[in-house]
Amino acid sequence: DTGVSQNPRHKITKRGQNVTFRCDPISEHNRLYWYRQTLGQGPEFLTYFQNEAQLEKSRLLSDRFSAERPKGSFSTLEIQRTEQGDSAMYLCASSLLANANYGYTFGSGTRLTVV
Amino acid sequence: GQQLNQSPQSMFIQEGEDVSMNCTSSSIFNTWLWYKQDPGEGPVLLIALYKAGELTSNGRLTAQFGITRKDSFLNISASIPSDVGIYFCAGRITSGTYKYIFGTGTRLKVLA
Repeated sequence: DTGVSQNPRHKITKRGQNVTFRCDPISEHNRLYWYRQTLGQGPEFLTYFQNEAQLEKSRLLSDRFSAERPKGSFSTLEIQRTEQGDSAMYLCASSLLANANYGYTFGSGTRLTVV
Repeated sequence: GQQLNQSPQSMFIQEGEDVSMNCTSSSIFNTWLWYKQDPGEGPVLLIALYKAGELTSNGRLTAQFGITRKDSFLNISASIPSDVGIYFCAGRITSGTYKYIFGTGTRLKVLA
């Protein structure tokens, strides 16, 4: 069990570019979550998957954001036409469905800086 | 997005002192979690609470689920330098979703 892995750890991009982040959850975990954390704030929910199905999306997830979990294993979060306001830490977490009430395990995050 | 209110926002304490922090919400929650986050890392789960009035310990940490179900408290006894970090509460409103709403965080600094 290597924990939740996120890549890259840091990404600097120019405004208007597209970026994609990857999350590899703990192998047996069937639920996967994406959160966003801006400086000085707590994590804010973006979306979550149960296996490959995207079950809930936040209003924070504008049409420039898309998340996928095609085979129910790893997930990707893509941001199109990045804006400076997208600069944040993007956190992925996972849990077992049966244990989801016990909270979930976060990865170390991908820090995005849009310049 | 919605965030829970945590108090205090930050605190400096001497090593060996006890620490108390709390988290309040305008909504009733059925699960409360407490996480700790170190710089540049993701949050790590410390304690989970499931019933109003529940008191749960994890080593020097003790957390309580408020009886109104709108608040929770975290205490750290005999603080040590590695307790430095940001502590977040998180709550889940309803069954059927595993989306948690996080607090604004309490930043703890321990002076040796």
